[in-house]
Amino acid sequence: NAGVMQNPRHLVRRRGQEARLRCSPMKGHSHVYWYRQLPEEGLKFMVYLQKENIIDESGMPKERFSAEFPKEGPSILRIQQVVRGDSAAYFCASSPPSGPLHEKLFFGSGTQLSVL
Amino acid sequence: AQKITQTQPGMFVQEKEAVTLDCTYDTSDQSYGLFWYKQPSSGEMIFLIYQGSYDEQNATEGRYSLNFQKARKSANLVISASQLGDSAMYFCAMRLSNTGFQKLVFGTGTRLLVSP
Repeated sequence: NAGVMQNPRHLVRRRGQEARLRCSPMKGHSHVYWYRQLPEEGLKFMVYLQKENIIDESGMPKERFSAEFPKEGPSILRIQQVVRGDSAAYFCASSPPSGPLHEKLFFGSGTQLSVL
Repeated sequence: AQKITQTQPGMFVQEKEAVTLDCTYDTSDQSYGLFWYKQPSSGEMIFLIYQGSYDEQNATEGRYSLNFQKARKSANLVISASQLGDSAMYFCAMRLSNTGFQKLVFGTGTRLLVSP
């Protein structure tokens, strides 16, 4: 049973480029979360999605950041026109819609974004 | 506002000894969830243990136990019989209960070093 899969593991972009981070949740999980970890800090919530719906994006910067979780395929976190301050580890997590594991988040290994 | 405080930036313990990592939380809600995650140097976030605010028994998962003291608003992680592989960052987190989903607030973490 594969865990939460994120790719790429490392992503290097120059200022002004676009970054696309992908996340495939665990099998049977329909809830996806994105968190960001700045250096030497804890994770901070960005967005919560279910299939084809954004439920809560209160932690997303208002500009340049967007997220989607289409009916088919992985969830995508997209950062347009990246700046150096976007350099961070971006974690995806998933949980099932119900059941005993509903209250537990399972994280992927993260994508380390470096902006030059 | 909900907040997690981890006052120990670093902790040292000898192999086979027990260690307690401190976590205090602040919330006015009656229903909430508390989590501990481990982040080794490779970067992934590994779920360790979960405690619901209404759970009467302290949670245990193998060598991990959560010392939940509701009146003191503390949720300390106890690792028994430390192993070299326990060296990592440890994050305490709380689920914001009024959201109904896994929007977690994380502490700043404690770096644990286990020595032979």
